Amino acid sequence: ETGVTQSPTHLIKTRGQQVTLRCSSQSGHNTVSWYQQALGQGPQFIFQYYREEENGRGNFPPRFSGLQFPNYSSELNVNALELDDSALYLCASSLETEISGNTIYFGEGSWLTVV
Amino acid sequence: GNSVTQMEGPVTLSEEAFLTINCTYTATGYPSLFWYVQYPGEGLQLLLKATKADDKGSNKGFEATYRKETTSFHLEKGSVQVSDSAVYFCALRGGGSNYKLTFGKGTLLTVNP
Repeated sequence: ETGVTQSPTHLIKTRGQQVTLRCSSQSGHNTVSWYQQALGQGPQFIFQYYREEENGRGNFPPRFSGLQFPNYSSELNVNALELDDSALYLCASSLETEISGNTIYFGEGSWLTVV
Repeated sequence: GNSVTQMEGPVTLSEEAFLTINCTYTATGYPSLFWYVQYPGEGLQLLLKATKADDKGSNKGFEATYRKETTSFHLEKGSVQVSDSAVYFCALRGGGSNYKLTFGKGTLLTVNP
């Protein structure tokens, strides 16, 4: 039990639609990041939010966007869904400072299937 | 950029066998190294970590030593159990990309009774 909760756990969308995935960080954590894990692959970093601002982004197009709220919960939005977006989306949280990084804890993930 | 290379799977062992899963990395600076485990249908759980050279991370009978001279962080366990069956991911953080984890492709371990 990591204290990071995600919703929904499973969903099916049609190509071209939009999806919003939600994450509640572990209590006391100020940083949230999102990863995409395709079947049989390792997770790939999408982006990270620190104190409500994006402070790092992986190699994902602009149709992947996010938000972090004052209570440190977060959303991942994906527009114009493509079949290749089918994957497990993992949210992770941590407590970061200006000088050090700490252990990153993952949620159970949201399984997205695009048909 | 940073990268992690893991031993190709799948790995199949009998209960009580010795386990090694190799992991090597490429990074600038001094990254922290991690092993995460993913049980079927679940998210990632941190198994162990090491933050500097020669550190040994350990948990639940698993061990890995941070070897800077060989840029390696091999996972070992002396006697595996059926319940250890899962996918194991080696990952690094830092070394110029402080904010993100870079993962290997994962190694599927199956332990038979």
